[in-house]
Amino acid sequence: DARVTQTPRHKVTEMGQEVTMRCQPILGHNTVFWYRQTMMQGLELLAYFRNRAPLDDSGMPKDRFSAEMPDATLATLKIQPSEPRDSAVYFCASGKGLVGQETQYFGPGTRLLVL
Amino acid sequence: AQSVTQPDIHITVSEGASLELRCNYSYGATPYLFWYVQSPGQGLQLLLKYFSGDTLVQGIKGFEAEFKRSQSSFNLRKPSVHWSDAAEYFCAVGLEYGNKLVFGAGTILRVKS
Repeated sequence: DARVTQTPRHKVTEMGQEVTMRCQPILGHNTVFWYRQTMMQGLELLAYFRNRAPLDDSGMPKDRFSAEMPDATLATLKIQPSEPRDSAVYFCASGKGLVGQETQYFGPGTRLLVL
Repeated sequence: AQSVTQPDIHITVSEGASLELRCNYSYGATPYLFWYVQSPGQGLQLLLKYFSGDTLVQGIKGFEAEFKRSQSSFNLRKPSVHWSDAAEYFCAVGLEYGNKLVFGAGTILRVKS
């Protein structure tokens, strides 16, 4: 049963520290999405990649967030420096096919708490 | 830009009762429509999707949804709710190639015994 995996599942850090979240998409999927979920804002799309190329990162605060896909099996989301307002659950999802038409398969999320 | 509205933030139903969760979208053409479910502490899972054809779509776990173009709606239904259906439900709309999915704010379903 193919699944999207995310590490770490939980992260507690102090303000100003760097946070790196990792995602392994389902093998064969060529689209990867990063979402952030909070009580106040709901589910927000931060960035997405197709064939490892960034297609849209307009939802991401550019000054502190960065997303990359070093290879087809790994996507990373980095926050540097982290702030308390970044506390949220970060989801990675992968899919194949045309963006907007495809089913997205979500990972279990990384729950981040910035103190 | 397309948008998705889920008018109900919370819904409580009794176990065994029927369920309908509302979803309205804003877009000029026929969109691609999805319902996802999120159980506590989990990621989202696809329940069903509509692209074209029969406007009544069957999904997993006994759910179905009906696309009504005239009402710009894609409501989710289940004839008899089980306690395990308690979760948050998200409606999403996608457009053709080059765009992304837009998710609604979600509806939290509580099931009382």
